[in-house]
Amino acid sequence: GDSVTQTEGQVALSEEDFLTIHCNYSASGYPTLFWYVQYPGEGPQLLFRASRDKEKGSSRGFEATYDKGTTSFHLRKASVQESDSAVYYCALSDQSYGNEKITFGAGTKLTIKP
Amino acid sequence: NAGVIQTPRHKVTGKGQEATLWCEPISGHSAVFWYRQTIVQGLEFLTYFRNQAPIDDSGMPKERFSAQMPNQSHSTLKIQSTQPQDSAVYLCASSLPHWGGDYAEQFFGPGTRLTVL
Repeated sequence: GDSVTQTEGQVALSEEDFLTIHCNYSASGYPTLFWYVQYPGEGPQLLFRASRDKEKGSSRGFEATYDKGTTSFHLRKASVQESDSAVYYCALSDQSYGNEKITFGAGTKLTIKP
Repeated sequence: NAGVIQTPRHKVTGKGQEATLWCEPISGHSAVFWYRQTIVQGLEFLTYFRNQAPIDDSGMPKERFSAQMPNQSHSTLKIQSTQPQDSAVYLCASSLPHWGGDYAEQFFGPGTRLTVL
């Protein structure tokens, strides 16, 4: 079945540091890829998505590029802020077969020290 | 727009009791999804409905779990004979109608935290 692998379980940075969270996926079809962010006591919320090879998704300074060749969708931000502290999930939805369910990675807890 | 509403926000049950979780999707949304979140397993898909019809229940445990969507304004997830391993945050999401290959964003509720003692 489909799967998503996030390498980093926890990341601790200082403000203005560069962020990279690695995400690789496995899917039988041509999935849509997502990054979600979750704050304590809330459900995940969509940060952005990408549906085609080489498409870049971006929001709030975060970005990721769909790479079908390496099956990756790494999250990057040039300068993180304390308010970026949250859990980030890479995810996919393989609607090639008409199914809308989302498969999530294990999540990366990002902590930004002021 | 109140967003997806889930009730109760917290539920504590004794082992062997029944738990019913409620979800009210965003008005106008035609799909409802249920996910479960635990520290060990992370975020797992359970089941979903579109236009009140069950589409995929591949993530539902075969015993004790059931979900319904009797009308377009609410869905329920019922767990019979709850066990400690059912303790989790149960998340509901809803999305607009979609056509063809166009993706419809899923909007998540805050979840119901179920604790089975």
